[in-house]
Amino acid sequence: GDSVTQMEGPVTLSEEAFLTINCTYTATGYPSLFWYVQYPGEGLQLLLKATKADDKGSNKGFEATYRKETTSFHLEKGSVQVSDSAVYFCALKTGANSKLTFGKGITLSVRP
Amino acid sequence: EAGVAQSPRYKIIEKRQSVAFWCNPISGHATLYWYQQILGQGPKLLIQFQNNGVVDDSQLPKDRFSAERLKGVDSTLKIQPAKLEDSAVYLCASSWRAGNSPLHFGNGTRLTVT
Repeated sequence: GDSVTQMEGPVTLSEEAFLTINCTYTATGYPSLFWYVQYPGEGLQLLLKATKADDKGSNKGFEATYRKETTSFHLEKGSVQVSDSAVYFCALKTGANSKLTFGKGITLSVRP
Repeated sequence: EAGVAQSPRYKIIEKRQSVAFWCNPISGHATLYWYQQILGQGPKLLIQFQNNGVVDDSQLPKDRFSAERLKGVDSTLKIQPAKLEDSAVYLCASSWRAGNSPLHFGNGTRLTVT
């Protein structure tokens, strides 16, 4: 079945550090890939997405590129801020009516 | 636009009791989802509705969980009787339609079963 694997956390960085959060996937078919973010006390929000190979999703300074050859969708940001502290989930979806399958999530803490 | 509304925000019950959660999706969204998020894990889909019909309930523990979406708008998720392992955050989400429409999540209901 479909699955998403995220790197183990938590991750703690200093402000303005470079961020990479790894995500790899296994899917039957041709998935769309997503990053969701959950800020403290809030619901999950879509951060960015990519629907086909080599697409780059971007939002709020975050980027992720759909790499079919490595089945990966790593999240990056060049300079993190304290306000980026949150839980980040990688997810995939295959087919029109299929469910969104999430990874375990990783907690990012950014210190001033 | 108003977001997905869920209530209650928190609930504490004893095992073997029953509990119900309510969700009001974004107006006009045909697809509604209930997810279970156990601490330290990603959300897991319990049930997906398209209007008032069930699209996927393959991971819903039907011996104790039930859900309905009367009139294709609001939805309720019920657990009866609850077990300790049901302690989790229950998330409701909606989307304009199935496919690649983005999901909009509510803030969730945190259930603690003692």
